[in-house]
Amino acid sequence: KAGVTQTPRYLIKTRGQQVTLSCSPISGHRSVSWYQQTPGQGLQFLFEYFSETQRNKGNFPGRFSGRQFSNSRSEMNVSTLELGDSALYLCASSLGRFGNTEAFFGQGTRLTVV
Amino acid sequence: AQTVTQSQPEMSVQEAETVTLSCTYDTSESDYYLFWYKQPPSRQMILVIRQEAYKQQNATENRFSVNFQKAAKSFSLKISDSQLGDAAMYFCAYRLTQGGSEKLVFGKGTKLTVNP
Repeated sequence: KAGVTQTPRYLIKTRGQQVTLSCSPISGHRSVSWYQQTPGQGLQFLFEYFSETQRNKGNFPGRFSGRQFSNSRSEMNVSTLELGDSALYLCASSLGRFGNTEAFFGQGTRLTVV
Repeated sequence: AQTVTQSQPEMSVQEAETVTLSCTYDTSESDYYLFWYKQPPSRQMILVIRQEAYKQQNATENRFSVNFQKAAKSFSLKISDSQLGDAAMYFCAYRLTQGGSEKLVFGKGTKLTVNP
């Protein structure tokens, strides 16, 4: 069974540009969550999608957005990039049903904003 | 608000010895899940062990076990017979459920070094 796949693994962008990151969940998983990991703030929740609907959103500016497709694949987009957006972005997938669900993580996308 | 605190930024252990990583959390919920994740240099978060709050028995997975003290809101991870491959960042996490949605609240992590 394939794990969670994130693409690309590395990305370098310039301030002001926008970026799109992709996450393919484990087959059968309908929930996809995104997390930002930085040395200063640690791991912070961005948002969660379930069956193409955003169910929860963390405390991030509107420049951060996402979506989920009918095959459960998810993308997150960051517009007008700032230096502070440099981080490791992790995606996690789970069955998404309340109770006995376990989140499996991808290897992340390392975004560097210069 | 739910918070997770890991008070040890770094820990070290000799190979084959035992080490315990600390974690405390704050919640007003009575039923919840707690996790320990491992993040090696490859960056992928790997689930080490989980504990369901309603279960009084401490979870165990091979060399990994937890000491879950619900009243004290403490959830420590014990690694027995430490191996070089155990070297990694370890994160304690609480699963927060809000209106059907779930998210993980993480501690700041503990960097574990295993000395040969």
